[in-house]
Amino acid sequence: ETGVTQTPRHLVMGMTNKKSLKCEQHLGHNAMYWYKQSAKKPLELMFVYSLEERVENNSVPSRFSPECPNSSHLFLHLHTLQPEDSALYLCASSRKPDSFNYGYTFGSGTRLTVV
Amino acid sequence: AQKITQTQPGMFVQEKEAVTLDCTYDTSDQSYGLFWYKQPSSGEMIFLIYQGSYDEQNATEGRYSLNFQKARKSANLVISASQLGDSAMYFCAMRGSFQGAQKLVFGQGTRLTINP
Repeated sequence: ETGVTQTPRHLVMGMTNKKSLKCEQHLGHNAMYWYKQSAKKPLELMFVYSLEERVENNSVPSRFSPECPNSSHLFLHLHTLQPEDSALYLCASSRKPDSFNYGYTFGSGTRLTVV
Repeated sequence: AQKITQTQPGMFVQEKEAVTLDCTYDTSDQSYGLFWYKQPSSGEMIFLIYQGSYDEQNATEGRYSLNFQKARKSANLVISASQLGDSAMYFCAMRGSFQGAQKLVFGQGTRLTINP
């Protein structure tokens, strides 16, 4: 148990479905992140939330919609996805105030397959 | 911009041997942090070890040590006495200190396989 919990662990969805990924942390962190990990590609940072405000959106398609209702919870809402969106989606958190000598704590990820 | 390069896509090592995983980085920041994470097949990213740019001594955590050569901009991970459970993906990552450069940036990873 890392302190960051992601649900579900596995998700298979059709291209017309709507689903949500959930991330929860009880570490007292107040910065949260979504990463996408595709096969044979480096981890791609998708979104950054700091103190519940979205501070970064790395040109992610609008079919991915993040939500951070409070500092402990982060969601990624999915709709009309494409097969190339199949990947491992990792959530992470870090403390604030932040510093370069603090890493992130990651969840176990949600393995998403779009059919 | 910051960049991490891991040049070894895969490594195969005999159990109980030591292994070095290579990592080079590029940054214009004066202060930065370097990290190694382990990712087993379950998917979770597990923090292993941290090295600060101003740390004079190489970091060590149990069987893990970081061979930090600042002038060469390298931060290699050394695993001593490898075990079967060490088989996993290993990622080198860094964070800068300047505003806007504080994201954790990852390399491509190295898949380590420990043979019995």
